[in-house]
Amino acid sequence: DAGVTQSPTHLIKTRGQQVTLRCSPKSGHDTVSWYQQALGQGPQFIFQYYEEEERQRGNFPDRFSGHQFPNYSSELNVNALLLGDSALYLCASSSRTGSQYFGPGTRLTVL
Amino acid sequence: AQTVTQSQPEMSVQEAETVTLSCTYDTSESNYYLFWYKQPPSRQMILVIRQEAYKQQNATENRFSVNFQKAAKSFSLKISDSQLGDTAMYFCAFMKLFTGANSKLTFGKGITLSVRP
Repeated sequence: DAGVTQSPTHLIKTRGQQVTLRCSPKSGHDTVSWYQQALGQGPQFIFQYYEEEERQRGNFPDRFSGHQFPNYSSELNVNALLLGDSALYLCASSSRTGSQYFGPGTRLTVL
Repeated sequence: AQTVTQSQPEMSVQEAETVTLSCTYDTSESNYYLFWYKQPPSRQMILVIRQEAYKQQNATENRFSVNFQKAAKSFSLKISDSQLGDTAMYFCAFMKLFTGANSKLTFGKGITLSVRP
């Protein structure tokens, strides 16, 4: 049984560019949450998707957007990248009322 | 809004000994879960243990156990028989419960645990 998977592992972009990160949830899970983790800090909640809709959103600007597909996989898009967007981006999947299980993350570096 | 505080930035323990990691939280909610996650240098966040606020009994998972003090809003993690593989950053996290819905996790800043051989 595969756990949560994320791609790519690493990504390097320049300021102003756009990026798309991908996440496939654990089998049996229908809810996907995205988190941003700065170096040495705890993860910060970006948003959560269920039934292909954004259900909750953290304190992140509209440059951060997402999508969930019918197979429950999800994408995180960030437009107009800033240096401060450099971070580890974590995806977590869960059932509707269960614990969240995390993927290995995508390390984004913005130059 | 919920807050989670981990005031110890670093701890060190000898292999095979016991260590306790502290966490306090603040909330006005009555229905919630508390979690401890482990993040080794490989960076994959791993769920260690979960505590439901409505349960009085402290959760245990093999060598890991918690001391949940609801009135004091305290949630500590005890690791028994520490192993080298326990070296990691440990995060305490809070999740409000909605009926039939998942919710966001609110994390503390984490504590770096080093297990010495």
